[in-house]
Amino acid sequence: EAGVTQSPTHLIKTRGQQATLRCSPISGHTSVYWYQQALGLGLQFLLWYDEGEERNRGNFPPRFSGRQFPNYSSELNVNALELEDSALYLCASSLGTAQDTQYFGPGTRLTVL
Amino acid sequence: EDQVTQSPEALRLQEGESSSLNCSYTVSGLRGLFWYRQDPGKGPEFLFTLYSAGEEKEKERLKATLTKKESFLHITAPKPEDSATYLCAASGGSNYKLTFGKGTLLTVNP
Repeated sequence: EAGVTQSPTHLIKTRGQQATLRCSPISGHTSVYWYQQALGLGLQFLLWYDEGEERNRGNFPPRFSGRQFPNYSSELNVNALELEDSALYLCASSLGTAQDTQYFGPGTRLTVL
Repeated sequence: EDQVTQSPEALRLQEGESSSLNCSYTVSGLRGLFWYRQDPGKGPEFLFTLYSAGEEKEKERLKATLTKKESFLHITAPKPEDSATYLCAASGGSNYKLTFGKGTLLTVNP
C-alpha cells in the first residue's frame, strides 16, 4: 500500500513569492494534516482538513492557507514568503475522526532566499 | 494549552546498552499518545499509539508504556540502526491535531 506522498521534494523561492506544496494521502484516508518543522523548533501544527473542510488551524498567520480536493489530496499555499518560512513541511493523513494515528509523508523542504 | 516535554534531549548509548526515553504530557482529555521515529531530512515514521494508562506496546527492541502523566520508550539492547530522533506527540479532547515534543536524539555506537 502506498504511503503519503508529497511534492515537490525541494522548493527554493525568494522572499515575497508564493509557494504551493502538494500532498496525497494514503488511500482511504479522509483527513490531511500539515505541520511545519523549522530548525530547533520541533513540529508545529498548521492545518487540518477532513472531508474537504478546514477543521482546525494552528497559530500561523493567514498567509498560510490550503484546501482539500474531492479526492482528499491537499494543497498548502504560503503567500508573501518570509525568510523564517524556511522549513520542512510535513503532511500526514489519517482515517478521519475514526482513527487518531497520523501517518506522515517524506516532506517538502522549502528554502526562502 | 497542551504541552509535551521530552527528556533527555540527546542520549548516547553503546550497542547493547538498554535505556529509556521519557515523555511528559499535559493534555486535557487525552485521546492518544504517539511515538514516532525520525531520520534526518525524512518524515516521522509511526511506531506506537497508546490510549490509556497502563497500556504497553512492543515492537522489536522497543517498548512503549503509558501512565496518567508520562510515557516511556524503552530500548532493549539497541543497535546502531536504532540511531534516530524519537518524537512523542499527544492529542486531546475534540482536537485531532498532534502536539509534539522536541524529540530525543538517540545515538547508538557500535
